Amino acid sequence: QKEVEQNSGPLSVPEGAIASLNCTYSDRGSQSFFWYRQYSGKSPELIMSIYSNGDKEDGRFTAQLNKASQYVSLLIRDSQPSDSATYLCAPLPPDNQGGKLIFGQGTELSVKP
Amino acid sequence: GAGVSQSPRYKVAKRGQDVALRCDPISGHVSLFWYQQALGQGPEFLTYFQNEAQLDKSGLPSDRFFAERPEGSVSTLKIQRTQQEDSAVYLCASSLGAGTSGYNEQFFGPGTRLTVL
Repeated sequence: QKEVEQNSGPLSVPEGAIASLNCTYSDRGSQSFFWYRQYSGKSPELIMSIYSNGDKEDGRFTAQLNKASQYVSLLIRDSQPSDSATYLCAPLPPDNQGGKLIFGQGTELSVKP
Repeated sequence: GAGVSQSPRYKVAKRGQDVALRCDPISGHVSLFWYQQALGQGPEFLTYFQNEAQLDKSGLPSDRFFAERPEGSVSTLKIQRTQQEDSAVYLCASSLGAGTSGYNEQFFGPGTRLTVL
């Protein structure tokens, strides 16, 4: 079992729709979770962080965390073509692992006009 | 303010050459991370510094890889006797506090794309 699993996609949604990106992780001790957006040929850009169970909203983005199910998701409302990118999920392992992020392979999102 | 910077942005090396990749973190950031990203994959951890101390180098793939951060600011990742399998994008990230603080967010530089011929 991979430490972090994401559907590689591509996930295709029409402009204005809600895009739902999912991520499961294996380390129950993970406490912090980060979503990065990566445009083709560019480096990852942090868009959301979430630390406790429930929802966290920031503009059109909502992160959802369920530690019991070891599941974290990212919803993008009113998707725009400019949201087309690869979205990387990255849990932060427990303290004894030094702060490195463990990334999933990413989900490619395509928003069609 | 300035973000994380990396140089060179692109590097082409012949197999067997040594290369040095530089990272300049956000000013005042304590923690610095190096990751390697292959095409179509997420970044993979290489090594971590807290100030000048290298606290984790478990991700370095072989003893040909060496990293340093002598004054707790700029870091250099050196690859000796490069091989074709070293071709990848090398990403540097920094965060404000100690890496083990769960609230620390890591910010990435633009990366160095290394191609070994």
